[in-house]
Amino acid sequence: QVQLKESGPGLVQPSQTLSLTCSVSGLSLTSNSVSWIRQPPGKGLEWMGVIWNNGGTDYNSPIKSRLSISRDTSKSQIFLKMNSLQTEDTAMYFCARNYYSSYMGSYWYFDFWGPGTMVTVSS
Amino acid sequence: DIQMTQSPASLSASLGETISIECRASEDIYSNLAWYQQKSGKSPQLLIYAANRLQDGVPSRFSGSGSGTQYSLRISGMQPEDEGDYFCLQGSKFPYTFGAGTKLELK
Repeated sequence: QVQLKESGPGLVQPSQTLSLTCSVSGLSLTSNSVSWIRQPPGKGLEWMGVIWNNGGTDYNSPIKSRLSISRDTSKSQIFLKMNSLQTEDTAMYFCARNYYSSYMGSYWYFDFWGPGTMVTVSS
Repeated sequence: DIQMTQSPASLSASLGETISIECRASEDIYSNLAWYQQKSGKSPQLLIYAANRLQDGVPSRFSGSGSGTQYSLRISGMQPEDEGDYFCLQGSKFPYTFGAGTKLELK
């Protein structure tokens, strides 16, 4: 079965760089795309970016200059790096499979999600 | 960016009651709309995709409808396990955007 699991440092100091890992099983990263999504405490969801099955990436404009998503297909891992962290980056960070359905149309959605990893930005 | 306006922000329903949650997109999203349920401290779970297709394993009391810019999620017969937050997602155009959420509680 498809599983994703995020891991990370928990606490990051302001202005530092965040590094997160998404470990996947039950799917191949050369055939599947994975997005990072975050959710500040008590707030809504924000899509951050995606790494496509071909290794290409797309990012959400407000954070594009600070964000990098990469992968190691041999280890089935996706990496997120975001620099210049501020308190407003405090959030639960999720990775999720970006699924494409072409049945009677063209539809993108996230079908499998990891449990999330909480990141607190504080000194 | 496509703005997703979700309503209501909160809702209280009695056992067995039928409820609806709405999402309005700022432009046509061609039924590229998914609905999620999120329980406290958990990741979102996919309920509906392509506006009206039920994800495998989701109870049939959940249904979705809509087209163009207007979409709705319907729960036909509120159950205690349906308490949680509900979000819509548009996957029509980058960046993908979510509705602000609806908090559903059992009355």
